Parts: sequence; structure tokens; C-alpha cells
Amino acid sequence: EIVLTQSPGTLSLSPGERATLACRASQSVSSSNLAWYQQKPGQAPRLLIYGASNRVTGIPDRFSGSGSGTDFALTISRLEPEDFAVYYCQHYGNSRFTFGPGTKVDIK
Amino acid sequence: EVQLVESGGGLVQPGGSLRLSCAASGFTFSGYSMNWVRQAPGKGLEWVSYISTSDSITYYADSVKGRFTISRDNAKNSLYLQMDSLRDEDTAVYYCARTGYSSGCFDYWGQGTLVTVSS
Repeated sequence: EIVLTQSPGTLSLSPGERATLACRASQSVSSSNLAWYQQKPGQAPRLLIYGASNRVTGIPDRFSGSGSGTDFALTISRLEPEDFAVYYCQHYGNSRFTFGPGTKVDIK
Repeated sequence: EVQLVESGGGLVQPGGSLRLSCAASGFTFSGYSMNWVRQAPGKGLEWVSYISTSDSITYYADSVKGRFTISRDNAKNSLYLQMDSLRDEDTAVYYCARTGYSSGCFDYWGQGTLVTVSS
């Protein structure tokens, strides 16, 4: 069973700064099945990145995904006020869908 | 516009049952596999169940296997989750979500329906 860990748990940054969020899998996984979501309070999650690095149509290009094997990252190049939220990575494999515990990006 | 609208949540006693529904519109429902994902209050996301396009394949999280049943009616563009033997720890917002991009991600989500299991 794949376990996803995310770090840090909380990232305190200021608007305009760069955010790098990490997602580590307990064993090597296919990049094709790694996704990132953003969730704001009281809202459903929103898909940002699929296949580790493919940005969903309409998602600003300040969001980018990278990585392979066991280590993946979501980078927000310059934080906008609307980017402060919780971010989850997610994997699909062997008939299971797994989410990481999330990283909260809050305003410093 | 893709829309997923859940209904059927509410307060139920431990050991009770509840049936959630998700009405889909704006896309060819029969062409997509579907899922239920839940989120306990103040907690992270937990995938619950998956159903293939023709409902021939279903998967469940270990935490709900044997108690929950996912189904769909392609003629009615609807997804369902029958929840039996409910426990306190099943308290959560339940989202229906479409599987997208042939990669096991969830590209569209409903707004969620709250299930509270309490005596």
C-alpha cells in the first residue's frame, strides 16, 4: 500500500514569495498517476496538476508540478493572495486512491 | 458546464443507514468512472469508493469495505452510495468526484453533503 507524506505541514509565506511543497511516496510510483489539489475553507478541492506536471486548463502558470519515482513537488512561483489554502497530493494505483495529509500555505 | 450535486446527507444514529445521491450534468455521464471522497471535520481527504463506467468494477477503501455500496444509473445520470452499519468515524462531508484525464485523478467535484453519525 502506497503512503504519501507531505512536507512541511504548514508553510508560512508572504504574497510574492515562492512556495515549494513536497510529496513523498513510500515506494516508487508512476508519475502518470500523481496529482495535486488546492482546497480553500468551505470549498471542494480543485484539481491543479495531473500526471505530476500537467497543469489543468485555467490554472495559472505560476503553479507547476515536478518529480518522479518517490519525490514530487508543487511549486507556486509567486504567491497571490488567493493561493493561501491547503494543498494535497494524490496517487492512483493497484485499485486504490491515496491522498497525502496536506500542506497548509498560510500568510506570514 | 460540468455539475455534480450531492444530496441525502443528514444525522443518523450509529448502526444506521443512509443513501447518498449525486446528480451529474454537463457531460456524458456514462463515459466516466466516478468516485466518492470524504473529509471528516477539520481533517484531510479520504477516498471512499470507485465505480467504472458500466458499474462492472467497484473498489472500496478498507475502512468502508463490506458496509458501503457504490452504484450508478447511467440512464438517470446519477451516482449513489449506500452506507450501512454507520459508525461515528464515518462523520464527514462526502463528495462525489469524476475520474479524469485517464490518470486516476479527480477532475470535477461536487459541493459535498454532510453526514453526521451520532446518538
